[in-house]
Parts: sequence; structure tokens; C-alpha cells
Amino acid sequence: ETGVTQTPRHLVMGMTNKKSLKCEQHLGHNAMYWYKQSAKKPLELMFVYSLEERVENNSVPSRFSPECPNSSHLFLHLHTLQPEDSALYLCASSQDRGRMISRRNEKLFFGSGTQLSVL
Amino acid sequence: ILNVEQSPQSLHVQEGDSTNFTCSFPSSNFYALHWYRWETAKSPEALFVMTLNGDEKKKGRISATLNTKEGYSYLYIKGSQPEDSATYLCAFRTGNQFYFGTGTSLTVIP
Repeated sequence: ETGVTQTPRHLVMGMTNKKSLKCEQHLGHNAMYWYKQSAKKPLELMFVYSLEERVENNSVPSRFSPECPNSSHLFLHLHTLQPEDSALYLCASSQDRGRMISRRNEKLFFGSGTQLSVL
Repeated sequence: ILNVEQSPQSLHVQEGDSTNFTCSFPSSNFYALHWYRWETAKSPEALFVMTLNGDEKKKGRISATLNTKEGYSYLYIKGSQPEDSATYLCAFRTGNQFYFGTGTSLTVIP
């Protein structure tokens, strides 16, 4: 148990559906991340929220919309996805210092991921 | 986008064998190098965070070394056990950005 919980574990959706992924951390961290893991590819950073402010976007398509209502919760809203968006979506958290670089030995704490299939 | 490479991509070893994998990363703008262990259907968990050239870390039978000047890190597992079967990810950190490799998938055969 890493202290980061993601729901649902599995999600199948059609291209016209709207769904949301949820992430919750119980570690008192102030930064949260969405990563995408496609087959045979490295983890790709999608979004970072630090102190509830979006810091990085990394040119993710607008059909992915993040929301961070407080430092413990992170959502990823999905709509009109494409089959190529099928992947494992991982949430992570860390202790951060906002736009300043955090301590070198800070590590990421991950959830178990949501396996998304878009039909 | 920075290139972080891990080799081999996958590895099968017999129980009791020792093994090692490599992570290659850029030698400039280094901030930290992370190793994560990722078991199937679970969360990736941090094994080591290394920050200084020449760092060596050890946790039980697993150890890691770091060479920031030439841009590589080795992960060693001594006397592999079936429970060591997992994907081992490395991540190169520059500033507040983490760049991950594709991982080495280790299977330990009883």
C-alpha cells in the first residue's frame, strides 16, 4: 500500500462516452501527477499539479481534462477519446516546492493505475 | 524529450542466479536517478534515489551504482528469488521533470 489510491482499476468506454478517473493520496503530499503508460513505451507525463496549481501540461490533447480540487485529490476527465488512448493511466504524488526545485531525494509514490480501453 | 534507455528489455534467470541491468541517461543537467520496482497489478515502488556521482545504494540483495559523468546506473540483484520477478524502471530527474525508461522485465524461474 503506497498511500495513493486510484479508481476505477479498469474502465471500458466508447468514443462518445464521458468518464472520470480518480486519484486520492493520504500522504500529505502537495504535488500530484498523471502519467500514461502505453504498450512498449516509457511512462509519459501528462499533467503535474503542485500546490493545486497546474505546472506542466506537456501538450496533452484537450480530450483529457485534469482537475485538482485540493492537494489530496486529482481527477482526469475523459471525453470523446480515441482507441489509441487505450493505456494504463497512473497517478503519483510527491512532496514538492511548487515552482522551486524540490529536494533531490524526493521520490514519487504511485497508485496502481487505471487500465483504460476505448472501443 | 530526453532519452533514457534500459537494457535488457526482458530477462529470465534461474532462482539463485545473480543478475544486473543498465540504465543510460543524459550526462548533463543531472539532478537525481531513481529506480522503481513494479510488480504486475501493483504500484511502482521506489527502490533507490541516487543523487551523487559514485553513489552506491543497497537494500537487502538489491544494490545500485551511479555514474553521472558517463550517464549510466546499474541495478544488481544477488541470488534472485521468484519474488524478485517484476519490471524495474529507472527515471532520470532534471529539475522537477522525471524521464522514465521502458523498464527491464525480470522473471525468476523457480
